Amino acid sequence: SYELTQPPSVSVSPGQTASITCSGDKLGDKYACWYQQKPGQSPVLVIYQDYKRPSGIPERFSGSNSGNTATLTISGTQAMDEADYYCQAWDSSTVVFGGGTNLTVL
Amino acid sequence: QLQLQESGPGLVKPSETLSLTCTVSGGSISSSSYYWGWIRQPPGKGLEWIGTIYYSGNTYYNPSLQSRVTISVDTSKNQFSLKLSSVTAADTAVYYCARVIHSVTTDWFDPWGLGTLVTISA
Repeated sequence: SYELTQPPSVSVSPGQTASITCSGDKLGDKYACWYQQKPGQSPVLVIYQDYKRPSGIPERFSGSNSGNTATLTISGTQAMDEADYYCQAWDSSTVVFGGGTNLTVL
Repeated sequence: QLQLQESGPGLVKPSETLSLTCTVSGGSISSSSYYWGWIRQPPGKGLEWIGTIYYSGNTYYNPSLQSRVTISVDTSKNQFSLKLSSVTAADTAVYYCARVIHSVTTDWFDPWGLGTLVTISA
């Protein structure tokens, strides 16, 4: 079965750029999307089809996908961005989630 | 604005069947543009896709759960439902329903319901 691997945690200072990676076999040949989940809340879509932002998602969120790695980048990270982030892809009619990355802003 | 709301028992006994319903408001579940899905999250853990359904009744499931899962749709009530049989403590999780944007090459979920915690315990 297809697997997506994320680092368990990433730390960033306020105002700096945070990068969260998601690795999978030939992931660049598929579409990746990303969800943000704050404690006690439901996940929220922040990036779909590799780099597209849903309406209402700040421009500081961006995405890319190439080779075996998709990357979520948060520019000018704010304290409100502290959350868990999950990547997701689709393989052979199966939805696959990464294990999640806890982003700490400190 | 589309909203989804999960409902069902918060406590289910081991070996029994978990049953949840998702009520969609602010939009039609019969829209040809969307599918509808279930995802779960065990306490303190990550997300796991359960399955997805189209208003016509076409379904596809997580292979690891397929033998125990049934997802159905009731267009007259603008609802879709989840049944998970032979549950164990490992099925304890927050269960989310979500709208699915589906294409031939990918799916994504937006928006999500608030989620409902289902505990499996005698």
